[in-house]
Amino acid sequence: DAKTTQPPSMDCAEGRAANLPCNHSTISGNEYVYWYRQIHSQGPQYIIHGLKNNETNEMASLIITEDRKSSTLILPHATLRDTAVYYCIVRVDWAGSYQLTFGKGTKLSVIP
Amino acid sequence: DGGITQSPKYLFRKEGQNVTLSCEQNLNHDAMYWYRQDPGQGLRLIYYSQIVNDFQKGDIAEGYSVSREKKESFPLTVTSAQKNPTAFYLCASSTRKTVLNTEAFFGQGTRLTVV
Repeated sequence: DAKTTQPPSMDCAEGRAANLPCNHSTISGNEYVYWYRQIHSQGPQYIIHGLKNNETNEMASLIITEDRKSSTLILPHATLRDTAVYYCIVRVDWAGSYQLTFGKGTKLSVIP
Repeated sequence: DGGITQSPKYLFRKEGQNVTLSCEQNLNHDAMYWYRQDPGQGLRLIYYSQIVNDFQKGDIAEGYSVSREKKESFPLTVTSAQKNPTAFYLCASSTRKTVLNTEAFFGQGTRLTVV
């Protein structure tokens, strides 16, 4: 199973870009990288996912390295509402079915 | 609007009692999941179901039970055998298991407190 490693916490100034790194060195060729975020006491919210190409949507951009061993989630203009725990997940095959396995994530604090 | 609904939002239970948490989705998703979250921790998988009338244990299934009689519903029972049931419980759903390129949708959670 591909596991992910994220820094436990990061700070970002309001209005600046937040770059959240994730290592997934054991990822296999058909596994997607997903990003979710969880605002305190709410359910996780899907942000973006990708396989090998960089992806962008209205929330964020996802940059995946060419060897696919790491990725970076970019919030281009962080706001106070982006303060949350961000989870980088590789969808794994567990007992014949596909799971979303969450680690502890990165706690992003956006500072005024 | 389509979505996934958990109820109740807060639940109190006396020690030794069983309690059932509700999860309903109208997204026509085949797969449904239950996670547990403790303070400052990530999510841990309790049970999951890929189709009606079938479900599998996750990493921490002991002390919990589920049923999947309808596609829309996946209730979780926290039994008296669960030694430390106070936690935040999250339900999620997604499309077919064989499709890797799908996102999961989460409910807003149920906070269970044993008193």
